[in-house]
Amino acid sequence: AQSVTQPDIHITVSEGASLELRCNYSYGATPYLFWYVQSPGQGLQLLLKYFSGDTLVQGIKGFEAEFKRSQSSFNLRKPSVHWSDAAEYFCAVGAIENAGNMLTFGGGTRLMVKP
Amino acid sequence: EPEVTQTPSHQVTQMGQEVILRCVPISNHLYFYWYRQILGQKVEFLVSFYNNEISEKSEIFDDQFSVERPDGSNFTLKIRSTKLEDSAMYFCASRREGGSDTQYFGPGTRLTVL
Repeated sequence: AQSVTQPDIHITVSEGASLELRCNYSYGATPYLFWYVQSPGQGLQLLLKYFSGDTLVQGIKGFEAEFKRSQSSFNLRKPSVHWSDAAEYFCAVGAIENAGNMLTFGGGTRLMVKP
Repeated sequence: EPEVTQTPSHQVTQMGQEVILRCVPISNHLYFYWYRQILGQKVEFLVSFYNNEISEKSEIFDDQFSVERPDGSNFTLKIRSTKLEDSAMYFCASRREGGSDTQYFGPGTRLTVL
């Protein structure tokens, strides 16, 4: 069974600073990896996804993530954070072997942005 | 841009009552899901649905839960006799194809069981 760990429950960064949110997964084969963002009162919006190929993937809103198989990680980065990026971020893993292709989520990281 | 919609946004019910949470997936999607998120906890998979039947379900999805696609647009989650611990945010998701295709999530229904 797959699992996802997001070690940081809360992160606070200053506006304009760089950001890295950590995600580690456990899965026997190559997983499908996702980052979703949830703003207050909103649903889960897909930021980016990795299926295969280039291990550095670009997403919306200036986010990128890098898949590192050796570290079982899929960390999310942004070079310069904006106040509107304050939200909760979820890493998720999917597996084609599961008949339903469901996603397994990490616990989330709440990002706060200081002016 | 098409999106998944859910109604109601907030449902309050008494313990033991039945509730139905409704979802309208994106119109050309074939795979449907329910997830839930108890306050302060992870988003958890409940059930997946394809071709008018459940394709996978989690341990959480016991006999108190059922899903249905009553027509060509709606996808519902029924909880027959709610318990206090069913209080959570329930998310519906849909996907056009299987495999690695993206799941699109609705805004959620917050269920409060008193």
